[in-house]
Amino acid sequence: TQLLEQSPQFLSIQEGENLTVYCNSSSVFSSLQWYRQEPGEGPVLLVTVVTGGEVKKLKRLTFQFGDARKDSSLHITAAQPGDTGLYLCAGGRGSEKLVFGKGTKLTVNP
Amino acid sequence: NAGVTQTPKFRILKIGQSMTLQCTQDMNHNYMYWYRQDPGMGLKLIYYSVGAGITDKGEVPNGYNVSRSTTEDFPLRLELAAPSQTSVYFCASSTPLGGPGELFFGEGSRLTVL
Repeated sequence: TQLLEQSPQFLSIQEGENLTVYCNSSSVFSSLQWYRQEPGEGPVLLVTVVTGGEVKKLKRLTFQFGDARKDSSLHITAAQPGDTGLYLCAGGRGSEKLVFGKGTKLTVNP
Repeated sequence: NAGVTQTPKFRILKIGQSMTLQCTQDMNHNYMYWYRQDPGMGLKLIYYSVGAGITDKGEVPNGYNVSRSTTEDFPLRLELAAPSQTSVYFCASSTPLGGPGELFFGEGSRLTVL
């Protein structure tokens, strides 16, 4: 069974702070996706990374895929209350079904 | 732009009752999935389908059944509901292109079994 471990499980910060959340596995993935889920809604895709060492930026969010394609990180600069939500990473191999981590629940306080 | 539509949004069942969660998508996606999400446990795959007439078990299929008679619809059947099936259920669809592809999720169906 492929496992994706996300840390921290919970994170509560003040508006304007920076943060990093992590997604780690002992397995190699051909791609890794990050989703954000807001209360009462389904997850929405933020980014897909496919190349070891790849870095993608989405406004204040920076995603990195580890060189060995076993881990990934999400860094948020100057967090805002609108960033509050559950951040899920999901790993895939080819067209196989995705494996999801348990998520990091982020709260950004005004 | 309906995307993935799930019904009902909320349901309370008594132990032993049965019900069907409906899921339909209008994006002509071949792949469809059912996940359950328990507090602090992320998403666990129940069943998935790679096309009409084809279904396969995921990580936690016991107590559930699915069918895929059309590309658009992927209903999830709960037989003999148990308290352990209390959860939020998400349907998703995708079109893999050399990889898993982006999953488009519905808004979820919150089920309580008492």
